[in-house]
Amino acid sequence: DGGITQSPKYLFRKEGQNVTLSCEQNLNHDAMYWYRQDPGQGLRLIYYSQIVNDFQKGDIAEGYSVSREKKESFPLTVTSAQKNPTAFYLCASSIINQGNEQYFGPGTRLTVT
Amino acid sequence: GIQVEQSPPDLILQEGANSTLRCNFSDSVNNLQWFHQNPWGQLINLFYIPSGTKQNGRLSATTVATERYSLLYISSSQTTDSGVYFCAVERKGYGGSQGNLIFGKGTKLSVKP
Repeated sequence: DGGITQSPKYLFRKEGQNVTLSCEQNLNHDAMYWYRQDPGQGLRLIYYSQIVNDFQKGDIAEGYSVSREKKESFPLTVTSAQKNPTAFYLCASSIINQGNEQYFGPGTRLTVT
Repeated sequence: GIQVEQSPPDLILQEGANSTLRCNFSDSVNNLQWFHQNPWGQLINLFYIPSGTKQNGRLSATTVATERYSLLYISSSQTTDSGVYFCAVERKGYGGSQGNLIFGKGTKLSVKP
């Protein structure tokens, strides 16, 4: 089955700790994206990558970092510099030259106390 | 930046009723997608519809790109249609921003039995 997996589903951390969220896809998509969703809100773009070893900041990149060492994987690190890290994080992927329709993973709920 | 507004913000229907959800956007876009977010947070792709009309079972969508709006029609609603419906537009690309989605805040639909 092709798809996007995110792990873990729920994550709890203490304030001041860095935490890494996993995103893997086996759809052979070029581009991958990380979004953040806060309660009652739409999604906002954190980072995106259109090709291996390259990525770009989205609208709310401060306090986050990413890497794209493999086409299938795009992990997101939430650093201690992120002021309000508690949120729902969603990963997506798309094929750039075929209309860019994005498909989403199941998400990770991060709670920082 | 581009603004995406969805209406109504909340909608309560009796099972079997029809409804229309609206998405207005403030600038030209490459593409538009409609999603359904289920109670577990998963975003389900409904339509990829930069222009024209598409139908999928009880759901259909129309985008009039020249007038900057899209409509999602739900007919004979069922309790399983409950959740949040999001419209997202891909801003016109320049450089590396191709593919980035801007989300509206969603319409929360509750279908009562």
